[in-house]
This record gives sequence, structure tokens and C-alpha cells, in this order.
Amino acid sequence: EIVMTQSPATLSVSPGERATLSCRASQSVSGNLAWYQQKPGQAPRLLIYGASTRATGIPARFSGSGSGTEFTLTISSLQSEDFAVYYCQQYNNWPRTFGQGTNLEIK
Amino acid sequence: EVQLAQSGAEVKKPGESLKISCKGSRYSFNSYWIGWVRQMPGKGLEWMGIIYPDDSDTRYSPSFQGQVTISADKSISTAYLQWSSLKASDTAMYYCARPDFRGDYDSGGYFYWGQGTLVTVSS
Repeated sequence: EIVMTQSPATLSVSPGERATLSCRASQSVSGNLAWYQQKPGQAPRLLIYGASTRATGIPARFSGSGSGTEFTLTISSLQSEDFAVYYCQQYNNWPRTFGQGTNLEIK
Repeated sequence: EVQLAQSGAEVKKPGESLKISCKGSRYSFNSYWIGWVRQMPGKGLEWMGIIYPDDSDTRYSPSFQGQVTISADKSISTAYLQWSSLKASDTAMYYCARPDFRGDYDSGGYFYWGQGTLVTVSS
């Protein structure tokens, strides 16, 4: 199974600043990667699919890049509602796998 | 709007059986894959498996194969996740989820999510 490794585990950033989250796959997943945001007590929300395509309704400050084994989620100017846990997920191979998450916290 | 409505929280004892549900509405239930995701308390997301309701084609994660059964009843637009003998380690929130796009498995990730079903297994 493909192992997805996210870094860092915790990221402390001030509102208004940029946040960069990383996700690495143990083998190539091509561009078949999604990013999710999860807030406490809520179901995950799809942000990005196809490594770089924003899902419907997702603000333009969220962007994704990468292919193969290295991926990045960038939040250009953090808003208070962006502080949450972020997960990457590959859907190139069976079984689908998630990264362990990055906790984006307020600095 | 597409909805996935999951059954309510459950409290069970070790060794008991359980079947939780996920009812889809406001879309063609047969035509979209439905996935199940586990989240243990304070932990991350784990992909369990996926089913295509039209023909019940199912894929499991090896971590969950043999531990759970995923099924669907397309006549009532409902997918299920069941256990024959629960363990304390099955205590978790379980989500069903659906991709935005029809066909081609769950390509594009999971756009629609149920509200989650909390399963607590304790003696």
C-alpha cells in the first residue's frame, strides 16, 4: 500500500500569513491526490482534487501543486476559519490512503 | 442538494454485531461509488473500503478486509457497514462519503460526506 507522509505534523502560522503544507507518497500517485480540511466535530471537506483543482466553493486562497510523489497545499493568506487539520489522500492505487494530517494552528 | 444521512450513534459491548447505514438522497444512488472512512478518537482518517451500489462491486483496504462488511441496498438508496463481532478497538467515528463525479471509482476524492456515526464499544 502507498504510504502518504505529511509534514510538518503541526504548523503554527499567524493570520494573514502564508501556510505551506507538504505531502509525500511512497510511490508515484500521478496527479491523483486530494486535500481535505477537517475542523473539530465536523466531517472532512474536500479542498483540492487532481493535485491542483479546487473543489466547488473553495476560495482561491487555497492552491495545490505537485505530481508523482511530492505535493503541496498552499493557503496564501490565512483566515481565522482556516485553522484546522489538513489531510492528503491518494486515489491512484488500492487501497486508497490518507496522510496522517497536519494541524494548522494559530501562532 | 446531495445528502448522505447516516444512522445514529451506537453503544455496544465487545462481541456484539452492528450494522450502520448511510442513506443517499437527491441524486442517482446507483451511479456513484460510496466510501467508508474511519476516524478513531483523536486520530486521523483511515480509508476502509468502497462500494458501487448498482452491482455491489466492493473494494476493501487490507486493514479492514475480513473485519467489516460493506454492502448496499439500491432499492432504498442505502449503504451499510457492518461488524459481526465488535472489539473495543472499533470505537471510532465512521463516515460515508461520495465523490462528486460519476463513474471511475472515487476519482476526484470525496466531495460529499455523511455527518458520521459514532460507534462506542465498551464492556
